Amino acid sequence: SQQGEEDPQALSIQEGENATMNCSYKTSINNLQWYRQNSGRGLVHLILIRSNEREKHSGRLRVTLDTSKKSSSLLITASRAADTASYFCATDDRGSTLGRLYFGRGTQLTVWP
Amino acid sequence: AAGVIQSPRHLIKEKRETATLKCYPIPRHDTVYWYQQGPGQDPQFLISFYEKMQSDKGSIPDRFSAQQFSDYHSELNMSSLELGDSALYFCASSTNRQGPTGTQYFGPGTRLTVL
Repeated sequence: SQQGEEDPQALSIQEGENATMNCSYKTSINNLQWYRQNSGRGLVHLILIRSNEREKHSGRLRVTLDTSKKSSSLLITASRAADTASYFCATDDRGSTLGRLYFGRGTQLTVWP
Repeated sequence: AAGVIQSPRHLIKEKRETATLKCYPIPRHDTVYWYQQGPGQDPQFLISFYEKMQSDKGSIPDRFSAQQFSDYHSELNMSSLELGDSALYFCASSTNRQGPTGTQYFGPGTRLTVL
């Protein structure tokens, strides 16, 4: 598998706290994307970070990428109950132009009101 | 904004039956991807099409086939269904005209249950 593990597998926090999720991957990439999935529903694209970028922000989301360590983190600040979902990172393969994504196993985030 | 449309949203089939899943990509997107997500699993790539030609193939069983039509919609045909085919099937679309591996936008998925 191209993907390593996502860490943690499950995260439970209170509203207002920050949530940090990490993922690792194995091969060189063009970009890394984070997706959110509410229970058994569709994958919602959150953010894409390219291999030449180190940090990217979108609203309450902050993504970092460390290509030397082949890892990325997703920070959700001031979390809300509505942020409860599974979060997946997905990478492509730098050696390919075909674009298939390799997903990590995901982090199940629960935010308590 | 228009999103990826998948139909049907839910499908129940018996073992050994066939199923056809449809995907309508975002307008002007030239690439379609199919993924399978088993219960509690991460999505796994099945197959993709670029400009109506198969561009990549993953862990797709020989019982499955797919194509992309002239209007860019795609269909995933599944025959001789097995219990293990029960999963969420996602279609995603992107435009690669400005280079490879842009953002992939996913549809809501088709939940297939094989009894």
